Amino acid sequence: NAGVTQTPKFRILKIGQSMTLQCAQDMNHNYMYWYRQDPGMGLKLIYYSVGAGITDKGEVPNGYNVSRSTTEDFPLRLELAAPSQTSVYFCASSYRRERAGELFFGEGSRLTVL
Amino acid sequence: GIQVEQSPPDLILQEGANSTLRCNFSDSVNNLQWFHQNPWGQLINLFYIPSGTKQNGRLSATTVATERYSLLYISSSQTTDSGVYFCAVLTGANSKLTFGKGITLSVRP
Repeated sequence: NAGVTQTPKFRILKIGQSMTLQCAQDMNHNYMYWYRQDPGMGLKLIYYSVGAGITDKGEVPNGYNVSRSTTEDFPLRLELAAPSQTSVYFCASSYRRERAGELFFGEGSRLTVL
Repeated sequence: GIQVEQSPPDLILQEGANSTLRCNFSDSVNNLQWFHQNPWGQLINLFYIPSGTKQNGRLSATTVATERYSLLYISSSQTTDSGVYFCAVLTGANSKLTFGKGITLSVRP
C-alpha cells in the first residue's frame, strides 16, 4: 500500500516563483490536511479538506491555496513564494475527523525559497 | 487556544535504558496522538490514545484525560528509537490538531 504520497521531496524556488506540492492517498480517506514544520517546532495546519470539493483554512493559510477535486488528491499551491515559506511540508489524511480518527502522514516535501 | 507542553525537551539515553516522555495539555481533549519523527524526517503514528493505556512492543502510552497529561514509555531503548517525539491534541469542535514542540531523543550505542 502506498498510503500518502507527496511530490516533490525537495525543491528550491526563487522569490516570487509559484509551485504546486502534490499529495495523493489511496486509503479512501475523506479528510486530508497540509501542515508545515519549521526547524525545532511542531507542525502547524495550513489547510484541510473534509471531502471532495470542500476545503477550509487552518492556522497559517496566508500565501497558500488548495483544491480538492477528487477524494485521492489534495494539491497545495504556493503563489509568489517568499523566504518565510521555507519549511518542510507534510500532507496527511484520516478516515474520520481528527477528533475520532488517526492521522497518517506523507514523507514530507522540503522547500527552500531563496 | 490549548497549550501543549512536552518534557523534557531533550533526552540522551544509553542503549538498553528505559525512559518516560511527558505531554501536558491545558484543556480537555477529544483526541491525543503520539508520533515519532525519525532522523530522516518521516512522521510515524505511534498511538492514538485519547484516554487509557495502550502497548505496542517496547512502547506503551497512558493518557489520564481528567488530569490532562499523557505519558509515553520506551523500554529497552534502541538506537533506532532516536528522533523527535511529538504529542498532538484535538479539543472542542474544530478540526485542528495542536502539536507540542517535541522531545528530541538520542539513544547512544
